[in-house]
Amino acid sequence: QVPLQESGPGLVKASETLSLTCTVSGGSISTFYWSWIRQPPGKGLEWIGYIYYSGSTKYNPSLKSRATISIDTSKNQFSLKLSSVTAADTAVYYCARGIGSYYVLYYFDSWGQGTPVTVSS
Amino acid sequence: QSVLTQPPSVSAAPGQKVTISCSGSSSNIGNNYVSWYQQLPGTAPKLLIYDNNKRPSGIPDRFSGSKSGSSATLGITGLQTGDEADYYCGTWDSSLSAHFVFGTGTKVAVL
Repeated sequence: QVPLQESGPGLVKASETLSLTCTVSGGSISTFYWSWIRQPPGKGLEWIGYIYYSGSTKYNPSLKSRATISIDTSKNQFSLKLSSVTAADTAVYYCARGIGSYYVLYYFDSWGQGTPVTVSS
Repeated sequence: QSVLTQPPSVSAAPGQKVTISCSGSSSNIGNNYVSWYQQLPGTAPKLLIYDNNKRPSGIPDRFSGSKSGSSATLGITGLQTGDEADYYCGTWDSSLSAHFVFGTGTKVAVL
């Protein structure tokens, strides 16, 4: 396990773009599937997508191409951008380290503490 | 809406056993590894079980996982008040739009 820390604005206006960054400490960002997961208030977990250290990405089709995940290996960081946000995107956003093979995720062994994001109208 | 179905809640007295089911299909549980996560109130989820039945270092053997066909089960024996939490299963869905899916979540109450 490695420490992960999310950062970014806690308030985003509707129709704008949500931007979050996850900083990975104490370990290399290489070789793993770096993911974003969110949890709306009082609801369950939803996987948003991952980026492999090589730059390959995979997203949840439910987000309809609004999500973009990028990586900066020199800073040990990866980021999420979610465009055209609505109130339905209000949630706690977690970054997590994914373990998998051949672009198939098996599980998440390290999680950030989560950062709440509210979309305001 | 999740493709993995879990009971909304289960409960038992301290020291007893509970099981949580996770029902899916051949495109997810049937052909991929299942993992389980514990989410204590106000905290981030924590990995409990991976690769269907393996426990990470530090997870007590009171927690166990199994898989049969398109369903998986998490078992908790010797229930403790500290086990009160939400539990989620998760797996890869290999359908046309492949992606990771979580179960609907189960709240465990210790009576």
